[in-house]
Amino acid sequence: SQQGEEDPQALSIQEGENATMNCSYKTSINNLQWYRQNSGRGLVHLILIRSNEREKHSGRLRVTLDTSKKSSSLLITASRAADTASYFCATVNAGNMLTFGGGTRLMVKP
Amino acid sequence: DTAVSQTPKYLVTQMGNDKSIKCEQNLGHDTMYWYKQDSKKFLKIMFSYNNKELIINETVPNRFSPKSPDKAHLNLHINSLELGDSAVYFCASSQGGVGSGHNEQFFGPGTRLTVL
Repeated sequence: SQQGEEDPQALSIQEGENATMNCSYKTSINNLQWYRQNSGRGLVHLILIRSNEREKHSGRLRVTLDTSKKSSSLLITASRAADTASYFCATVNAGNMLTFGGGTRLMVKP
Repeated sequence: DTAVSQTPKYLVTQMGNDKSIKCEQNLGHDTMYWYKQDSKKFLKIMFSYNNKELIINETVPNRFSPKSPDKAHLNLHINSLELGDSAVYFCASSQGGVGSGHNEQFFGPGTRLTVL
């Protein structure tokens, strides 16, 4: 089974709205990473948050991590049509391997 | 220049054939990876490799084998292809040692394999 599970599986919003995606995981982690995948393309790294961090920002992205609840969230503010993509969380466990969740498919309508 | 490149982009082949997918990275990274993404978009790590160590996901059949002629290349060989091998295969690389999930990974564009 996947280490990370994203919620929701699909999200449709209007341009300008905020998009929030959640990720839950099961085991202890070293860090958690978020990636974006445009249709038919490879994954692009967005942000990495370490297990001792609670929040991190990068441009319009805000990531939170709650290790007590084993969950993370990715917030995209003021969304744009170009943000349409699938978003994956990936956890790094004791084996130092990336394990991906099933992804959230985000559609931003112009 | 493309950081991580894969060839071919599409591969259509018959069951039972042997095929290879090539991957090259020009980032000077120490570690390279192969992932399989199925039709439901689930991504699964297959291999993690540098010149010192290979980590194999135990769920990967031994028909799959990575081969690295040098630090910048990690090719994926698949023997006796099966229908269930149809998927998109992604190569990636990162700085640091094997399984260096501490660092971000850079992905190639993917190879869509279709087994008929």
